[in-house]
Amino acid sequence: EAGVAQSPRYKIIEKRQSVAFWCNPISGHATLYWYQQILGQGPKLLIQFQNNGVVDDSQLPKDRFSAERLKGVDSTLKIQPAKLEDSAVYLCASSSITTTGNNEQFFGPGTRLTVL
Amino acid sequence: AQTVTQSQPEMSVQEAETVTLSCTYDTSENNYYLFWYKQPPSRQMILVIRQEAYKQQNATENRFSVNFQKAAKSFSLKISDSQLGDTAMYFCAFMKRQGGSEKLVFGKGTKLTVNP
Repeated sequence: EAGVAQSPRYKIIEKRQSVAFWCNPISGHATLYWYQQILGQGPKLLIQFQNNGVVDDSQLPKDRFSAERLKGVDSTLKIQPAKLEDSAVYLCASSSITTTGNNEQFFGPGTRLTVL
Repeated sequence: AQTVTQSQPEMSVQEAETVTLSCTYDTSENNYYLFWYKQPPSRQMILVIRQEAYKQQNATENRFSVNFQKAAKSFSLKISDSQLGDTAMYFCAFMKRQGGSEKLVFGKGTKLTVNP
């Protein structure tokens, strides 16, 4: 079974530029998450999708961050314009909620963003 | 809001020995889930073990076990017979299902080094 795929793995941009990250979840997983992991901290949820609908985006800085999952499969996360403090690893995760309540989230390798 | 605290930024252990990583959390909820995730230097986050708060029995997965003290809001991870491959960042995480949201709240992590 293929895992969660993310691209690019690394990205370096200058502040005020735009950047986009792509995620393809595990096949059949209805739920997709984007987390931001700043160096030295644990991941923080930015947004959760259930199929193509947003379930939780309470911690997404909506003035500069946007995310979509149009067909309920892969997803893109965009930052426009980027700030220095956006330097972080962006992790995508997916899960398949079953009637047994199994709620393990499977993580991708992440995209390391450096904003100069 | 829930918070997760890992008080040990770094720990080291000799190969084949046992080590315990600490985690405390703060919540007013009664039903929730607790997790330990491992993040090796390659950055792919992997689930180590999970505990459902309504279960009194401590979870065990091979060499990994937890000591779940619900009243004390403590959730420590014990690694027995440590192996070099256990070297990684370990994150404690809390989850409460609410309205479809399955946000994981992470601690800052503990960097574990297993020495030969």
